[in-house]
Amino acid sequence: DIQMTQSPSSLSASVGDRVTITCRASRSIDSEISWYQQTPGKAPKLLVYATYVLHTGVPSRFSGSGHGTDFTLTISSLQPEDFATYYCQQSYNTPRSFGPGTKVEI
Amino acid sequence: QVQLVQSGAEVKKPGASVKVSCKTSGYAFSAYHVHWMRQAPGQGLEWMGWINPASGGTYFAQEFQGRLTMTRDASINTVYMELSGLQSDDAAVYFCARETLTATRPYDFWGQGTLVSVSS
Repeated sequence: DIQMTQSPSSLSASVGDRVTITCRASRSIDSEISWYQQTPGKAPKLLVYATYVLHTGVPSRFSGSGHGTDFTLTISSLQPEDFATYYCQQSYNTPRSFGPGTKVEI
Repeated sequence: QVQLVQSGAEVKKPGASVKVSCKTSGYAFSAYHVHWMRQAPGQGLEWMGWINPASGGTYFAQEFQGRLTMTRDASINTVYMELSGLQSDDAAVYFCARETLTATRPYDFWGQGTLVSVSS
């Protein structure tokens, strides 16, 4: 099975900050990674798939990059609605493992 | 519009089974796999498995083998997830999600979640 790790596990930031979250796979997953945003009590929402493709309606301040084992999600200018937990997930093979999450706090 | 609507919260005793439904609408039911995830209180997302609504074929994560069942009823565009032998660590919010047909097949629509509590 492929293990996914994320760093940091949490971070504190302010509105307008640039935020970068890292996800690492235990072996190469090519570009088969997606990123999800979850707020308390809600289902996750798709942000980015295939490493860098923004899902419909996702603001352009979100971007993804990477290949192989190391990936990043960047928020260029943090907005109040971006305070949430972010998860990466690999779809290279099954089980479709998630990272443990990164909580972005004020 | 695409929607996945899950059944309501459940309270079960240890050793019991729970069956959660996920009613889909707004798209061709048979064209998209449905995956199930769960999230224990304060924890991250755990992938459980998927069902192919067209064939009924399934794939489950190893840790659920033998006690997880996924079925579908195409006449009402609904998939079901049944977990047996519940223990306290099965208490979680269970989510269904539609797998897209695009590259890397992410989940573009999710159900609202179903809280399953396990208590004697």
